[in-house]
Amino acid sequence: GENVEQHPSTLSVQEGDSAVIKCTYSDSASNYFPWYKQELGKRPQLIIDIRSNVGEKKDQRIAVTLNKTAKHFSLHITETQPEDSAVYFCAARGFGNEKLTFGTGTRLTIIP
Amino acid sequence: EAGVAQSPRYKIIEKRQSVAFWCNPISGHATLYWYQQILGQGPKLLIQFQNNGVVDDSQLPKDRFSAERLKGVDSTLKIQPAKLEDSAVYLCASSLSWDGNIQYFGAGTRLSVL
Repeated sequence: GENVEQHPSTLSVQEGDSAVIKCTYSDSASNYFPWYKQELGKRPQLIIDIRSNVGEKKDQRIAVTLNKTAKHFSLHITETQPEDSAVYFCAARGFGNEKLTFGTGTRLTIIP
Repeated sequence: EAGVAQSPRYKIIEKRQSVAFWCNPISGHATLYWYQQILGQGPKLLIQFQNNGVVDDSQLPKDRFSAERLKGVDSTLKIQPAKLEDSAVYLCASSLSWDGNIQYFGAGTRLSVL
């Protein structure tokens, strides 16, 4: 089955700086890669996603890049703000397999 | 639109007791998922329904966990009997269908087994 690894497990950045979270996946047939943000005690919420036919996607301060050859994808947050503090999860879904496999999460702390 | 509804929000039980969780997906969403999220980990899929049929229950501990989705709308997840290691947040999610659609999560039920 699919295995998703996520790094780092914790990340602290100064407000205004950029944050990068990286994930690798094992199933080369995976074709959908969402990123979820989960604030303490709240539900995971989708912030951005990318499909395997696209190398990069951007939405305001958030971007995701995908390298299919290396089987890794990354979340980039620029101009970080205190409200970006949360746990971020990456996930991957294989082709013909409906199941999302999640990474172990990254706790991002923005230092004012 | 209304989100995924779950109840209860919190539940505390003793080991060997039984517990049930309820989920009401977003209206019109055919696919429903139950996830287990242990503290400090990512959500792990327990079972996936497409309408009222099970698509994937490969990670559901079937000796103690059961789930149903009668009429293809609401769903219940039951644990009987509970073990200490079942302490986790149980998240329900739904999507229009499995292929290419966003999964929307409920707020979850936090279960503590003492």
